[in-house]
Amino acid sequence: GAGVSQTPSNKVTEKGKYVELRCDPISGHTALYWYRQSLGQGPEFLIYFQGTGAADDSGLPNDRFFAVRPEGSVSTLKIQRTERGDSAVYLCASSPQRDGEQYFGPGTRLTVT
Amino acid sequence: AQSVAQPEDQVNVAEGNPLTVKCTYSVSGNPYLFWYVQYPNRGLQFLLKYITGDNLVKGSYGFEAEFNKSQTSFHLKKPSALVSDSALYFCAVRDIRGSGNTGKLIFGQGTTLQVKP
Repeated sequence: GAGVSQTPSNKVTEKGKYVELRCDPISGHTALYWYRQSLGQGPEFLIYFQGTGAADDSGLPNDRFFAVRPEGSVSTLKIQRTERGDSAVYLCASSPQRDGEQYFGPGTRLTVT
Repeated sequence: AQSVAQPEDQVNVAEGNPLTVKCTYSVSGNPYLFWYVQYPNRGLQFLLKYITGDNLVKGSYGFEAEFNKSQTSFHLKKPSALVSDSALYFCAVRDIRGSGNTGKLIFGQGTTLQVKP
């Protein structure tokens, strides 16, 4: 079956611009996670959705970052006023339940110039 | 505090030899431990997990991991390495701080495994 997909695979943007990153989870998975992976580091948790609601956004670094999941399926991570330090690979994962095995997408590589 | 440490940036092993990738953890309470593998330009793939039960956990692609509570370790092992096992390996622990068991993971920094023919 189809796995987690993320678009775009690569995004280059200028400092100060707004970007949106999309995640399509596995159909039927209620739990959705966003992580950020900087070069040479392990993924770091950003936000967790259970259904449509953000149940835990404690990993979002500041208020420039926001994420939505309006219909409980596709999620969009939004970054305002991008900074060079936002450059990283943004990973999405979904799970059939909140403490189940997480299935990761291939990631979106964001480069802020 | 909840954390994992992978003390080796890179592990080199000859094909056919046994391999070990090390992971130590620090948690309050019972640990929920995971291993993931990342191939270039691909997402993380789940290998195995320890929640409770037998200390030796068997996973995908012939990998296994041994949970050692006294040493707070969860080392990944395989009896006979393949060149195709060359990849980046991450140990992770479930983070139960704050909002409780949401399933979010704390990852180590990763260990590159290089298997040479």
